[in-house]
Amino acid sequence: QKEVEQNSGPLSVPEGAIASLNCTYSDRGSQSFFWYRQYSGKSPELIMSIYSNGDKEDGRFTAQLNKASQYVSLLIRDSQPSDSATYLCAGSGGETSGSRLTFGEGTQLTVNP
Amino acid sequence: DAGVIQSPRHEVTEMGQEVTLRCKPISGHDYLFWYRQTMMRGLELLIYFNNNVPIDDSGMPEDRFSAKMPNASFSTLKIQPSEPRDSAVYFCASRLAGIGYEQYFGPGTRLTVT
Repeated sequence: QKEVEQNSGPLSVPEGAIASLNCTYSDRGSQSFFWYRQYSGKSPELIMSIYSNGDKEDGRFTAQLNKASQYVSLLIRDSQPSDSATYLCAGSGGETSGSRLTFGEGTQLTVNP
Repeated sequence: DAGVIQSPRHEVTEMGQEVTLRCKPISGHDYLFWYRQTMMRGLELLIYFNNNVPIDDSGMPEDRFSAKMPNASFSTLKIQPSEPRDSAVYFCASRLAGIGYEQYFGPGTRLTVT
C-alpha cells in the first residue's frame, strides 16, 4: 500500500464548477497535510496546509481532513482555466515520514472554458 | 524574502561527465531537501539535511550521487559519472523545524544527459 494515494485522474471539470480532489494516507500518526499545485514545467507551489480535523478555507480553496478515516481532500470552488494543473497531496509527521513529506502521485486537473 | 534559489536552471551534459547542482535555502530554514521528478517515477525524495547534517539519504539512487551541505545557506548535489537515466528535474526545498512547518520548493534544475 502506498503511503499517500490520490485519485489518479485525470479530472476534467467545466469552468465555474467545483473540483474535488481526494487523498488517503496509511500512516495513522501523520500530523500535517499539504496540497501543492504544479503547473507544467514549474515547481510545486504550496496552496493549502491542514493539521486538524475539519475544514479549512482560503479563498476558493477548502481543505478537509478526517483523521479517523485517514482522508484529505481539496475542493476548488468556481474553478477557472488557470486552476488547470497537477495537484499533489502530501503528509508528514508520522512514524514513517517523520520530518519529510510523503507525496501522492498527483491528480491532473483540467478546467474547460 | 527570496525563496529557494537553485542553479543552474538548465544543464545539458554528456554521459560520463560530472554534474553539480546548487541550492540556497530560504534564510533561517533548518531543513533542506533534494528531490528528483520524472514522468515515470513522479517526485522522489533523494536526501534531506537538518542543520547541515544529512539525516536520510536512502533515496539516493546509487553511489554516483552525493550531496553536501557545508553551511546553512548552501547545498550541492553531485552526479559523477552522469548517465542518460539521470535526466530529470531536480528540486531543492527547505523549511523550518517543527511539526506543521511548510516546505517551499525552488524552481528546479532540468538536467539532460545525452
